[in-house]
Amino acid sequence: DTAVSQTPKYLVTQMGNDKSIKCEQNLGHDTMYWYKQDSKKFLKIMFSYNNKELIINETVPNRFSPKSPDKAHLNLHINSLELGDSAVYFCASSPTRVYEQYFGPGTRLTVT
Amino acid sequence: SQKIEQNSEALNIQEGKTATLTCNYTNYSPAYLQWYRQDPGRGPVFLLLIRENEKEKRKERLKVTFDTTLKQSLFHITASQPADSATYLCALESGGSYIPTFGRGTSLIVHP
Repeated sequence: DTAVSQTPKYLVTQMGNDKSIKCEQNLGHDTMYWYKQDSKKFLKIMFSYNNKELIINETVPNRFSPKSPDKAHLNLHINSLELGDSAVYFCASSPTRVYEQYFGPGTRLTVT
Repeated sequence: SQKIEQNSEALNIQEGKTATLTCNYTNYSPAYLQWYRQDPGRGPVFLLLIRENEKEKRKERLKVTFDTTLKQSLFHITASQPADSATYLCALESGGSYIPTFGRGTSLIVHP
């Protein structure tokens, strides 16, 4: 059984397009996250939701908008994609905000 | 400014030896620190969490120490195996903010 799943695994698109990445967890966790891992492998948090409520919103361009329709899902929508958005995006979940995180397999976004 | 430092150079060791990885931090007062393993093309996998009032934690061949005076955590893998080869990330939260921050990770290569 997949704990944290993301779709798609690969996403290739052109500058200026809008795209979404979906994330689902079947662990019953309260907290979900989006991270960006750049080419230098630096993993940086973007957003966190706790029980569908946004609790962390790091310095991220407002072209990025997370949406949590329910506790098990946290989607990431990106408008007007730029070259610098190319990275691997990871979704994660944790039982609460102070426990270990379970990561999805990642979505490799390439903007051309 | 806040920093989390992990050796950027890969650690090469022989099978059967103990691998020791270091995580140093400055300008943080973390309540807990976590270690993750990341294999190429995959999401990080949680290994151990240690709280500020704990000096040491063990899980099978893994051991983590946490020295809040030195602002350092050491991660040990005893009787290392080639399958332990991966990048190891430390993560800590920023003084009650619940914002998890990851180090850049250290690559471990265990030679048979």
